[in-house]
Amino acid sequence: DGGITQSPKYLFRKEGQNVTLSCEQNLNHDAMYWYRQDPGQGLRLIYYSQIVNDFQKGDIAEGYSVSREKKESFPLTVTSAQKNPTAFYLCASTVRRAHAELSNQPQHFGDGTRLSIL
Amino acid sequence: EDQVTQSPEALRLQEGESSSLNCSYTVSGLRGLFWYRQDPGKGPEFLFTLYSAGEEKEKERLKATLTKKESFLHITAPKPEDSATYLCAVQDRGTGKLIFGQGTTLQVKP
Repeated sequence: DGGITQSPKYLFRKEGQNVTLSCEQNLNHDAMYWYRQDPGQGLRLIYYSQIVNDFQKGDIAEGYSVSREKKESFPLTVTSAQKNPTAFYLCASTVRRAHAELSNQPQHFGDGTRLSIL
Repeated sequence: EDQVTQSPEALRLQEGESSSLNCSYTVSGLRGLFWYRQDPGKGPEFLFTLYSAGEEKEKERLKATLTKKESFLHITAPKPEDSATYLCAVQDRGTGKLIFGQGTTLQVKP
């Protein structure tokens, strides 16, 4: 079945440590996204990528980094600079319009990674 | 500034008791409005996209409607399995980004 796979489901970070969250999709989607979800708040965009080897900062990119070396994969690294990393992290993907615009097609989500501090 | 506000934050219904969830939005140019359902510990599941005022879409017990300032998700004769958090998001025409509301958590009791 086509879909988006996020791993691990749960992750614990020690102080000063960088951790990487995995996101893989087999939907042949060009655009991929990372969101952070905190209790009582809407999803907030961290980074997004419309095409391989290109990505842009979202609204809350500080303390995070990404790479997009393959169409199927968009890993997110939570660095030690992110002082409040405890949250539910969601990866999404969608098709991309032909003229480099972000698609108005719905984004499809993985089942998330819950990150906590040890 | 683009903004999406959902109300109520939480809603408790008896099985069969119909109601509506509200999504009010302010966006410079609307490209689309999206409704998602999210179960605890899971990612959001896509329900509907609405593109223009007056548009309506239905799926089983759910019906979504759109005006120039808000969208409603009507739930007719809900069942306990409809219990979830319902998220609304708008896509800004200029940036293409999605702006999410805080969600409405629905609990349907048998």
